[in-house]
Amino acid sequence: AQSVTQPDIHITVSEGASLELRCNYSYGATPYLFWYVQSPGQGLQLLLKYFSGDTLVQGIKGFEAEFKRSQSSFNLRKPSVHWSDAAEYFCAVGRHSGGYQKVTFGTGTKLQVIP
Amino acid sequence: DGGITQSPKYLFRKEGQNVTLSCEQNLNHDAMYWYRQDPGQGLRLIYYSQIVNDFQKGDIAEGYSVSREKKESFPLTVTSAQKNPTAFYLCASSSDRAYGYTFGSGTRLTVV
Repeated sequence: AQSVTQPDIHITVSEGASLELRCNYSYGATPYLFWYVQSPGQGLQLLLKYFSGDTLVQGIKGFEAEFKRSQSSFNLRKPSVHWSDAAEYFCAVGRHSGGYQKVTFGTGTKLQVIP
Repeated sequence: DGGITQSPKYLFRKEGQNVTLSCEQNLNHDAMYWYRQDPGQGLRLIYYSQIVNDFQKGDIAEGYSVSREKKESFPLTVTSAQKNPTAFYLCASSSDRAYGYTFGSGTRLTVV
């Protein structure tokens, strides 16, 4: 069975500081990994995804994530956080299964940005 | 622009009532999904559909029903059998040609 752990429920950073959100996954084969962002009362937006190739993945809004197979991790990073980055972030692991994608989400990390 | 439209944005249900949440997509995606989101629990899969006229139960299907009569539409009915329906409901779709979901903006259901 596939699973995702986001160990940090809530993180606070100062505007302009760097950010790293942690994600660990459990999956028996090469996983498809995702990071999504959710603003309050909104749906989820895909930030970036990994399924093969370069282990450092670039996404939208200046985010990047690094896949580390040996650590079963897919941490999200941003060098300089903006106030507009305050949101909830979800890591997810997925696989194709016939005609659909089975995706399992973590419980989320809520990011607060202080001036 | 293509996307997923969920309606209504807010919905209130009285005890014992069935309510239906709408989800429409114009992305030409084959697969569609319904998730329930509760604080601190992430997203949990209710139902999914790979093609028209076919759908499968997810992890928490009890008290919910769906239909898929058209490729574009995947409505979710929250029945009176669902004992704790207050939650944020998200619809999503996916394509065989790309990895990852596209989400709608959600419906917040509250029991009054």
